[in-house]
Amino acid sequence: DTEVTQTPKHLVMGMTNKKSLKCEQHMGHRAMYWYKQKAKKPPELMFVYSYEKLSINESVPSRFSPECPNSSLLNLHLHALQPEDSALYLCASSQQGGGTEAFFGQGTRLTVV
Amino acid sequence: AQKITQTQPGMFVQEKEAVTLDCTYDTSDQSYGLFWYKQPSSGEMIFLIYQGSYDEQNATEGRYSLNFQKARKSANLVISASQLGDSAMYFCAIPNLNSGYSTLTFGKGTMLLVSP
Repeated sequence: DTEVTQTPKHLVMGMTNKKSLKCEQHMGHRAMYWYKQKAKKPPELMFVYSYEKLSINESVPSRFSPECPNSSLLNLHLHALQPEDSALYLCASSQQGGGTEAFFGQGTRLTVV
Repeated sequence: AQKITQTQPGMFVQEKEAVTLDCTYDTSDQSYGLFWYKQPSSGEMIFLIYQGSYDEQNATEGRYSLNFQKARKSANLVISASQLGDSAMYFCAIPNLNSGYSTLTFGKGTMLLVSP
């Protein structure tokens, strides 16, 4: 099963709302990632979790709060977002170690109104 | 720091023809790899092909092949016999090995449109 599943696929939220994005993989990967992709731009790394611990935070604003409850799940909690946070949020997973293939989910298209 | 350059914002090709998407890279790592991903309008990033810097032969995966020229630091993707379903954004990417994870630096991408 080489699949990363993200829910929801689409999300519209107000600036005062709290919402969560979910990501699940069952490939036994111990590294999981959140990327943000603005329209017509490449993905940009936000967070990396390794063995359920936050390893990399690319200076992401605190209104984005990641969580890794177990080795298969990765959440991104959203609070007090701005319209400029509207983007495609991609989750990925990989084997531990640099240079291995990363498997991506279909992404969540987020619109902040 | 890693850098990927994709100089073609858009490419057009007719069905059944071959097309080459350009990618040049810059890295200080002695050993590295290069990935190509396809992103249809649905959003998912689909892994296509991987080339290791010490691989002696160019990578091939079905209709996809890599024209890897290490001295020129280029890793161009060749798609043979294009199909309508190949219309998508294509990203070249290089992993940041120092991080110990598969964090990727992507190029700006090339939008490929395949016409009947």
